[in-house]
Amino acid sequence: GNSVTQMEGPVTLSEEAFLTINCTYTATGYPSLFWYVQYPGEGLQLLLKATKADDKGSNKGFEATYRKETTSFHLEKGSVQVSDSAVYFCALSMEYGNKLVFGAGTILRVKS
Amino acid sequence: GAVVSQHPSWVICKSGTSVKIECRSLDFQATTMFWYRQFPKQSLMLMATSNEGSKATYEQGVEKDKFLINHASLTLSTLTVTSAHPEDSSFYICSARVGGFGSFTDTQYFGPGTRLTVL
Repeated sequence: GNSVTQMEGPVTLSEEAFLTINCTYTATGYPSLFWYVQYPGEGLQLLLKATKADDKGSNKGFEATYRKETTSFHLEKGSVQVSDSAVYFCALSMEYGNKLVFGAGTILRVKS
Repeated sequence: GAVVSQHPSWVICKSGTSVKIECRSLDFQATTMFWYRQFPKQSLMLMATSNEGSKATYEQGVEKDKFLINHASLTLSTLTVTSAHPEDSSFYICSARVGGFGSFTDTQYFGPGTRLTVL
């Protein structure tokens, strides 16, 4: 079946450090890929998305590139801030907008 | 942006009772809503897809008689956990689908979740 694997957390970084959260997927076919973020006490928010190979999603300084050859969609940010502390979920969908399959989530903690 | 609310945000109930959780799209209409369950330190697992005016579609392994879903209007879906037991304790999250189906704008917006504790 379809699945998403994320690196385990928590990830603890100092402010302005470089962030990478790894995400790989297994899917029959060509899924759409997403990163969602969940801030404390809030619902999941769509951070960025990509619908086909080599697409790069970007938002709020975060980026992720859809790599079909490595079945990956790693999340990166050049300089994290304390306000980026949250849980990050990688997800896929075989039908755009429908039936999301989530990774386990990665807790990010940024220290000032 | 599109806002989805859930009520209550947390609930504690006794074993054997039923609990209803509401999911509302506040500023848009959603023909499709989804219900997820999240265990501690685990991912969100899709329980069911709720379509306005029709029966919900449940994922494999989810008991439809235990988790009753009603999508009575374009802005409200409810999940009722019937005869709740301690193993039903979990974090329940809903989402609402908006945008042109199959298009780049097709997106799910999530509610903040409901923490259910069954004693």
